[in-house]
Amino acid sequence: AQKVTQAQTEISVVEKEDVTLDCVYETRDTTYYLFWYKQPPSGELVFLIRRNSFDEQNEISGRYSWNFQKSTSSFNFTITASQVVDSAVYFCALSGGATSGTYKYIFGTGTRLKVLA
Amino acid sequence: SAVISQKPSRDICQRGTSLTIQCQVDSQVTMMFWYRQQPGQSLTLIATANQGSEATYESGFVIDKFPISRPNLTFSTLTVSNMSPEDSSIYLCSVSKGMGTGELFFGEGSRLTVL
Repeated sequence: AQKVTQAQTEISVVEKEDVTLDCVYETRDTTYYLFWYKQPPSGELVFLIRRNSFDEQNEISGRYSWNFQKSTSSFNFTITASQVVDSAVYFCALSGGATSGTYKYIFGTGTRLKVLA
Repeated sequence: SAVISQKPSRDICQRGTSLTIQCQVDSQVTMMFWYRQQPGQSLTLIATANQGSEATYESGFVIDKFPISRPNLTFSTLTVSNMSPEDSSIYLCSVSKGMGTGELFFGEGSRLTVL
């Protein structure tokens, strides 16, 4: 079965601090995809990144970076020099299903990030 | 990309009634899903809407309570039947253009309040 664990329920940081959001996943599929979404207070879900299981290269996009490690089944997200606008709930998600034939997207419980001015 | 229109955007319903949520996509998509997001909670997958056949429901969700239709590749409906206050939630239609490979696009959601 697929499972995504985000152990951090809520994190508070002061503006300009770096913060890492953890994501651990479980799957029996050999081919799978990992995602991060942001849900600001307005409620819409904003896609941040997609990573497939064969690409373990870390990725950086501006102040955002992602660390994918298959050995530990983790896909962590770091925000550098956090800003108040980064305050949101962040969801990690997993998709796959080639093994079972049932393709679906499973979300973690989310981490609420509060960036204080 | 995919633009998703959901109707209604919000509604207040009486206990025991049923409400149908519509999801219209601006292009043909492979996968359509219905999620529920209760206040302060994560997204819980209700079912995968299969075009031309019965939806595939997740554990804890049944067809009698959440009947789903998907008559074509751009449209789906979710009905919340015999509603109770516990059904108060945001219901989200989402789509993917790949078989679990692509970005998941979301509608703006339908916020239901059951009195």
